[in-house]
Amino acid sequence: QVQLVQSGAEVKKPGASVKVSCKASGYTFTSYYMHWVRQAPGQGLEWMGIINPSGGSTSYAQKFQGRVTMTRDTSTSTVYMELSSLRSEDTAVYYCARVGCSSTSCNWFDPWGQGTLVTVSS
Amino acid sequence: SYVLTQPPSVSVAPGQTARITCGGNNIGSKSVHWYQQKPGQAPVLVVYDDSDRPSGIPERFSGSNSGNTATLTISRVEAGDEADYYCQVWDSSSDHYVFGTGTKVTVL
Repeated sequence: QVQLVQSGAEVKKPGASVKVSCKASGYTFTSYYMHWVRQAPGQGLEWMGIINPSGGSTSYAQKFQGRVTMTRDTSTSTVYMELSSLRSEDTAVYYCARVGCSSTSCNWFDPWGQGTLVTVSS
Repeated sequence: SYVLTQPPSVSVAPGQTARITCGGNNIGSKSVHWYQQKPGQAPVLVVYDDSDRPSGIPERFSGSNSGNTATLTISRVEAGDEADYYCQVWDSSSDHYVFGTGTKVTVL
């Protein structure tokens, strides 16, 4: 079955960077785009961006432009999300989620990784 | 940017029907997807493309979309349906993916 397994929790100081990984299994890694979504404590879901594991092309939410970098390693079927210049407001659970497709569209999220808690604190 | 508005909370008795709305400008022209999120867990897709259900999702979950409102309907509500629910669309004008504000469903 399709499975996305993310790296463990991180604690970072303000101004630092964090890199979260998401290892995919159970399908052809390069055939499906991957999203990143975050959720601050007690808050809703926020889309961060998307990566094409085949060619590596990316598209980021305007809010994160210049601070986020999404990459992939096809040899290990893993995608990465790096967020720089961290501030306290970046404390959140970060999820990877594979794109979901029908015969007519590919614009939902299914399945999701288990989430990675990133805490930014001095 | 495109905004999706949901009621913060919906309360329903077991066995009754819960309806969760998702409001957006001309949302009927977009495909709407719905997620269920239980405390401490990742979201799970329950409806895609307005009204289709992924395999494994009970028929009690259904969706509709018209005009400025999309609706997720949960029939014969069970205690296990207590969760947060989010709607989501892709906004072609910004090429961004947008989530609704979320609705907490409480089973009385």
